[in-house]
Amino acid sequence: EIVLTQSPGTLSLSPGERATLSCRASQSVSNSYLAWYQQKPGQAPRLLIYGASNRATGIPDRFSGSGSGTDFTLSISRLEPEDFAVYYCQQYGSSPFTFGPGSKVDIK
Amino acid sequence: QVQLVQSGAEVKKPGASVKVSCKTSGYTFTAYFMNWVRQAPGQGLEWIGWINPNSGETSYAQRSQGRVTLTRDTSISTAYMEVSSLTSDDTAVYYCARGSYTWSLDYWGPGTLVTVSS
Repeated sequence: EIVLTQSPGTLSLSPGERATLSCRASQSVSNSYLAWYQQKPGQAPRLLIYGASNRATGIPDRFSGSGSGTDFTLSISRLEPEDFAVYYCQQYGSSPFTFGPGSKVDIK
Repeated sequence: QVQLVQSGAEVKKPGASVKVSCKTSGYTFTAYFMNWVRQAPGQGLEWIGWINPNSGETSYAQRSQGRVTLTRDTSISTAYMEVSSLTSDDTAVYYCARGSYTWSLDYWGPGTLVTVSS
């Protein structure tokens, strides 16, 4: 089973600042099958990025993903008020499809 | 538009079973895998398994194997997840989530809260 580790656990930033979140896998994620999801309290997760770097439909271009192998990054160029949430990475390159523990971006 | 509508909240006693439904619309049900994910209170996301609605083939996380059964009814475009021998550790929100052609989870249901309590 591929174990995903996310850092930091919590990131405190102000609107307009840049957020950089990390996701590290215990072994290489095949085909860069790595996704990022955003979850707000009381809501279902929302797909942001798939295939490590592809934005899902309707996702603003301030969200970008990068990385390959075992190291992946989600960047939010300029935080908007609606971006304060928890972000999860998930690998779906090999079964079981595992999630990271999440990174919370909160308002400083 | 793609919609996933899940059944309502459940309260069950330890040892009982629960069956959650996920009714879909807005796309061809048999063309996309359906995944199930759960989230315990205040915790992260845990993948449970997927079902291929076309063939009925399933894949489960090892932790789910033996207690979770995924099924589907193609005539009503609905997927089901049944969990048996419930314990308090199964208290969680259970989500169905469509697997896209790239295998990422592109549409999610609103979640069904299952509470296990004596």
